[in-house]
Amino acid sequence: ETGVTQTPRHLVMGMTNKKSLKCEQHLGHNAMYWYKQSAKKPLELMFVYSLEERVENNSVPSRFSPECPNSSHLFLHLHTLQPEDSALYLCASSHRTGPYQETQYFGPGTRLLVL
Amino acid sequence: GNSVTQMEGPVTLSEEAFLTINCTYTATGYPSLFWYVQYPGEGLQLLLKATKADDKGSNKGFEATYRKETTSFHLEKGSVQVSDSAVYFCALSGTTDSWGKLQFGAGTQVVVTP
Repeated sequence: ETGVTQTPRHLVMGMTNKKSLKCEQHLGHNAMYWYKQSAKKPLELMFVYSLEERVENNSVPSRFSPECPNSSHLFLHLHTLQPEDSALYLCASSHRTGPYQETQYFGPGTRLLVL
Repeated sequence: GNSVTQMEGPVTLSEEAFLTINCTYTATGYPSLFWYVQYPGEGLQLLLKATKADDKGSNKGFEATYRKETTSFHLEKGSVQVSDSAVYFCALSGTTDSWGKLQFGAGTQVVVTP
């Protein structure tokens, strides 16, 4: 699904670095999501933004800081990460209409390695 | 709360074999059900979906029928190809959650050999 793009595709960072992941959707959706996918673990929903307002934060450590400047862009700012934060970070978007949502469309993910 | 249970993998089968991946769910109300596929090194792609009981979703030769009486949404394909090797995720979107978030199963890896 090329409607959701993520950059970079791969990232290696040290524990003291600060980096940002970027997600952009070209589908006219009004909700965006960050997921974490670790080896041997189910997909974990991290954050949900609806109409640029954060509506869910699943007890994610403060070293992950999301930002949604508009309905097409979503960032995940990273600082002082730990090696266990190494994972595939997936962005998704959908069109919300009231309490229901349409299908979520995913980006290709950013493969993050924390050394 | 809502939950999704998938059969554990990996599932290994030969090309042209019949594939079934079991998925059962627990949810209140009438959720929508989805199958997503993740090919190696990529993100998740929607494979098919069904939004009400007895609906059948289909795509690329895959099918799944929303069975409310058995709370199941099993994925089937009659003749798999090597290119179907991937991880398959069953998911539901509940109607009691005000944000309609997706609840994913753990994923089932499928390996198709020539």
